[in-house]
Amino acid sequence: NAGVTQTPKFRVLKTGQSMTLLCAQDMNHEYMYWYRQDPGMGLRLIHYSVGEGTTAKGEVPDGYNVSRLKKQNFLLGLESAAPSQTSVYFCATTGVFGNQPQHFGDGTRLSIL
Amino acid sequence: AQTVTQSQPEMSVQEAETVTLSCTYDTSENNYYLFWYKQPPSRQMILVIRQEAYKQQNATENRFSVNFQKAAKSFSLKISDSQLGDTAMYFCAFMKSYNNNDMRFGAGTRLTVKP
Repeated sequence: NAGVTQTPKFRVLKTGQSMTLLCAQDMNHEYMYWYRQDPGMGLRLIHYSVGEGTTAKGEVPDGYNVSRLKKQNFLLGLESAAPSQTSVYFCATTGVFGNQPQHFGDGTRLSIL
Repeated sequence: AQTVTQSQPEMSVQEAETVTLSCTYDTSENNYYLFWYKQPPSRQMILVIRQEAYKQQNATENRFSVNFQKAAKSFSLKISDSQLGDTAMYFCAFMKSYNNNDMRFGAGTRLTVKP
């Protein structure tokens, strides 16, 4: 039972390069989220999706784009990477009801040089 | 906007002893959920315990329990009989009851359990 799987786990990019992070879930959850984790700041929401074909901005969306073409997948894109985007990125999912906890992937460590 | 504050960046405890991690939050909402997540060195985010604001009874999960003080907007985590495997970052989180899309996390407390 994989749960929430993020690929890749590590990546180093040069400034200006682009890349896509993939989040895949087999929990049949409607809601999916992308967070970034920076030292001393906890997790901050970048974008989220409440269902297939829908996306919305979170707390820190600038510099990122997302797509949810299939219910089980949520992609996070960096069009032109910047050093400020060096972070650990987490994907999370949850069901429709608000009292359900979020289930997290193992994270992607991204370094922008 | 809701804010979550964890005032203890780092804490340590001897194995088998009890430790309490603090969390306060700021909200004007009456109905909401509170969570404690554990992040060990493996980087996984693991749910430890959750509390519904409408419940007066404090949540417990084995060695983990909370002290939920709604009026004071305080949500502390108590770990009893600490084990080496409890060494991790602990994050407190707040979520409005009707909005799955706005979970706010504190900055975290790094807990070290010493043998």
